[in-house]
Amino acid sequence: DTEVTQTPKHLVMGMTNKKSLKCEQHMGHRAMYWYKQKAKKPPELMFVYSYEKLSINESVPSRFSPECPNSSLLNLHLHALQPEDSALYLCASRPIGRGTGELFFGEGSRLTVL
Amino acid sequence: EDKVVQSPLSLVVHEGDTVTLNCSYEVTNFRSLLWYKQEKKAPTFLFMLTSSGIEKKSGRLSSILDKKELFSILNITATQTGDSAVYLCAVDANYGQNFVFGPGTRLSVLP
Repeated sequence: DTEVTQTPKHLVMGMTNKKSLKCEQHMGHRAMYWYKQKAKKPPELMFVYSYEKLSINESVPSRFSPECPNSSLLNLHLHALQPEDSALYLCASRPIGRGTGELFFGEGSRLTVL
Repeated sequence: EDKVVQSPLSLVVHEGDTVTLNCSYEVTNFRSLLWYKQEKKAPTFLFMLTSSGIEKKSGRLSSILDKKELFSILNITATQTGDSAVYLCAVDANYGQNFVFGPGTRLSVLP
């Protein structure tokens, strides 16, 4: 079982809906990430929250907005999405402050936008 | 622009074969290179490499990094059908602010 928990695992939404993807980790990691992965493509970074600062990939449209209520949670709010936003959304965390560390991924949230 | 390239992009072998997957990179502020295996869902971690020339092994899998030539290889010996997956190479390119992923190698192991 992964120690990064993502909910929901599957989400179907219309273009006018507002929904959220949730990501939680209890490993004490201080960096969390959202990646978007389209079919047969590698993950692409959307947002990073580390050192209590949010960094945004400038190519990510504003209809995606991250929220970090505390160091264990990184949510992704979705509003007015387009069908091309359908993808697997992966949350990951990693330890920082002790050199390098690998990314720990959650199981992903598969999003379908109708 | 940071870039990670993998080859081959796809590979079909038979059980028992040995395969070598390649990953080359051009990034600023290199810190580490990671290998992941992805089946249907999230990538699962295989190896993290930070130093040149030190082989990491886990069962039938092994990997090594060459920081001078900017590449890494992942070897799988005595392949099994359960090794069928996409193998992703990722590089920590900005002090952990971004892990740049290569396109992946899709490995199919036939019985």
